[in-house]
Amino acid sequence: DIQMTQSPSSLSASVGDRVTITCQASQDISNYLNWYQQKPGKAPKLLIYDASNLETGVPSRFSGSGSGTDFTFTISSLQPEDIATYYCQQYDNLPPAFGPGTKVDIK
Amino acid sequence: QVQLVESGGGLVKPGGSLRLSCAASGFTFSDYYMSWIRQAPGKGLEWVSYISSSGSTIYYADSVKGRFTISRDNAKNSLYLQMNSLRAEDTAVYYCARRIYLAAAGFDAFDIWGQGTMVTVSS
Repeated sequence: DIQMTQSPSSLSASVGDRVTITCQASQDISNYLNWYQQKPGKAPKLLIYDASNLETGVPSRFSGSGSGTDFTFTISSLQPEDIATYYCQQYDNLPPAFGPGTKVDIK
Repeated sequence: QVQLVESGGGLVKPGGSLRLSCAASGFTFSDYYMSWIRQAPGKGLEWVSYISSSGSTIYYADSVKGRFTISRDNAKNSLYLQMNSLRAEDTAVYYCARRIYLAAAGFDAFDIWGQGTMVTVSS
């Protein structure tokens, strides 16, 4: 099975800051990676698919990049409503696997 | 609007059974793969199972294989998860999720999620 890791596990940043989260796969997954946002007490929401494509309706301050084993998720200007845990997920092989998550707080 | 609503969660003793349901609305249910994904308290997301649009293709996580059964009724726009031989480690919020899968485009994601239903396995 493919294992996913994320760093950092949590971070605090100020409103307006640029926030970057990394995700690493245990083997080459091409661009078969999605990013989800989960706000406290809510279901996850798809933000980015195929590593870099923004889901319809998602603000453009969110972006993703990478391929192979190393991926990056960026919030260009952190907003209060972005407080959430962010998960990467690979779909190259079964079982689909999620990273452990990165919790983002406001400083 | 597009919506998934889970039900059937609750408290069950170890070794017991529970059947979860997920009611879909706002889209053509029979066109989509569907999946169950769970989240233990304070933990991350774990994929449990998925079923193809017709029900002919099914996969399970190793952690639930042989104990859980996924099924669907396209006439009722409903997805189910029969959970048997439940263990304490099955305690989690169980989410129903629509899987959008376009093999030719290499696109595969869980694009719609329900609000989840809590399953607690404890004596």
